[in-house]
Amino acid sequence: DTGVSQDPRHKITKRGQNVTFRCDPISEHNRLYWYRQTLGQGPEFLTYFQNEAQLEKSRLLSDRFSAERPKGSFSTLEIQRTEQGDSAMYLCASSRDYEQYFGPGTRLTVT
Amino acid sequence: AQTVTQSQPEMSVQEAETVTLSCTYDTSESNYYLFWYKQPPSRQMILVIRQEAYKQQNATENRFSVNFQKAAKSFSLKISDSQLGDTAMYFCAFMKRASGTYKYIFGTGTRLKVLA
Repeated sequence: DTGVSQDPRHKITKRGQNVTFRCDPISEHNRLYWYRQTLGQGPEFLTYFQNEAQLEKSRLLSDRFSAERPKGSFSTLEIQRTEQGDSAMYLCASSRDYEQYFGPGTRLTVT
Repeated sequence: AQTVTQSQPEMSVQEAETVTLSCTYDTSESNYYLFWYKQPPSRQMILVIRQEAYKQQNATENRFSVNFQKAAKSFSLKISDSQLGDTAMYFCAFMKRASGTYKYIFGTGTRLKVLA
């Protein structure tokens, strides 16, 4: 069990560019979550997968955001036409039951 | 909608002493879970302790214990014999199952600093 991993750990991009983040959950975990965390705040829920099905999306997730989890394994989160307000830490978590395990996060800076 | 409130943005405690972090939540649900997560500086979030709402007995994990008051919707974390490694952001979280989905809501966190 190597834990939840996320790639890249840091991303700096110019406004208007597209970015994609990857999350590799713990292998036997069927549930996967994406959160956004800004400085001094707790994680805010973005979206949730059970296996390959995306079961819920937050209203925070605008049309510029899309997430996938093909084959119910790793997941990707894409942000199109990035804006400065997208600058944040993007956290991934996985679980088999109600206990979530978090990855180290991807810190996005939009200049 | 459920909300989680952590009213203490920052706290400090002397090494070896005891500190209590407060958390209140609002829900109309009767069956749910509560968690405390720790996020050390520049490190990933880890689970400290969990409490099932249907259990009356307060959860304990070594130096960490909770005071769960269901009627008052309060869920405080007590850290005994504080250690320098306890310095971190602490987040209280609420979780319920809804339509097959596990929904988690986090508070804004309390930054705890343990002083040598």
